[in-house]
This record gives sequence, C-alpha cells and structure tokens, in this order.
Amino acid sequence: EIVLTQSPGTLSLSPGERATLSCRASQSVSSSYLAWYQQKPGQAPRLLIYGASSRATGIPDRFSGSGSGTDFTLTISRLEPEDFAVYYCQQYGSSPPTTFGQGTKLEIK
Amino acid sequence: EVQLVESGGVVVQPGGSLRLSCAASGFTFDDYAMHWVRQAPGKGLEWVSLISWDGGSTYYADSVKGRFTISRDNSKNSLYLQMNSLRAEDTALYYCAKDILDYGDYVFDYWGQGTLVTVSS
Repeated sequence: EIVLTQSPGTLSLSPGERATLSCRASQSVSSSYLAWYQQKPGQAPRLLIYGASSRATGIPDRFSGSGSGTDFTLTISRLEPEDFAVYYCQQYGSSPPTTFGQGTKLEIK
Repeated sequence: EVQLVESGGVVVQPGGSLRLSCAASGFTFDDYAMHWVRQAPGKGLEWVSLISWDGGSTYYADSVKGRFTISRDNSKNSLYLQMNSLRAEDTALYYCAKDILDYGDYVFDYWGQGTLVTVSS
C-alpha cells in the first residue's frame, strides 16, 4: 500500500498570497495517478485536480498541480478567502486500495 | 445537476448490522462506477469500497473485507452498503461518491453530504 505524506500539516497565509502544498509518496505513483481534493468544514470533499495536473470541471485556473514519481505539488497562485480549507492528496495508480494523505490545513494568517 | 443523497446512518451496537443507501440523480447512473468513502470524526478520508457500472466487479478495503457488501440497483439509481459485524472503529461519516469512469478509475468527481454511522454500546 502506498503511503502519502502531506506537508506542511498547517499552512498560514494571507489572501492574495501563493500557497504551495506538498504530497510525497512512499513509492512511485504510476502514470501520475494523483488527485487533490478540497474540503471545507461541514462539507463533502471537492475534486480539484486529477492525473497530477488536470483541473476538474469548474475549478478556477489559480489551482494547479504538478509532479511525478513520488513528489507532487498543489499550487494556489493567489489565495481567495474561499480557498481556506483542508486539502487532501490521493493516489489511485496502485488501486485497490486507493489511499489519501492525512491532509494540509490552509488557514488565514 | 448531479445529486447524491445518503441515508441509513444511525447509532448501532458493536456486532450489529446496518444498510446504507445512496440515491443518485442528475446523471446516467449505470454509466459509472460508484464508491463508498468514510471519514472518522476529525480524521482524514478512507476509501471503503467500489462497484463497477454493472455490479460485476466489487472491491473492498482490507479493513472491511468480509464484513461489508456493496451493491447497486440501476433500475432505482441507487447504491447500497450492507455493513455487518460492526466495530467501534467503523464509526464515521460515510460518503457515496461517483467515479469518473465506468469500471472505476478511483477518481471521485461528485460526493454526497454523507450519513453518520456511530458504533457504540
């Protein structure tokens, strides 16, 4: 089973700043089968990125994903107030089972 | 508009059974694989089970294998999770999630709001 480790655990930034979230896998994720989800309090997760870099339908272009192998990054170019949430990465190249990272909380500084 | 509405979550004693349901609308249900994903209170996400578009293929997390059974009724646009031999560690919010593909790519593009299962004596 591939273990995903997200860093940092909490990221404190201000609106307008750039956010960089990291996801590291315990072994190579085949074919860059890596997704990112956003979850706000009391809400279900929302798909942002799949295939490491493809934006899901309706996702603003300030969200971008990159990486391959064992190291992946979610970048939010310019933070909006609604972007403060918990973000999870997920690998699905070695499924089942698919696995999630433990999450990064993006909070307002 | 895609909608997934879960139901069936309650408080149940350890060793008990429960059946969760998910009613789907706004898309062609039998074109897509479906999943259950759970989230323990204050914790992260854990994939539970997958069923292919036609019900012909099912997969389970090791933590629930042999205790949970996923099924679907395409005539009713509904997904189910039969949960037996429940344990305290099964306590979680259970989400129904739609896959982006028919046999299952394990990418979840739509989620329900979840139904809470609490296993406690």
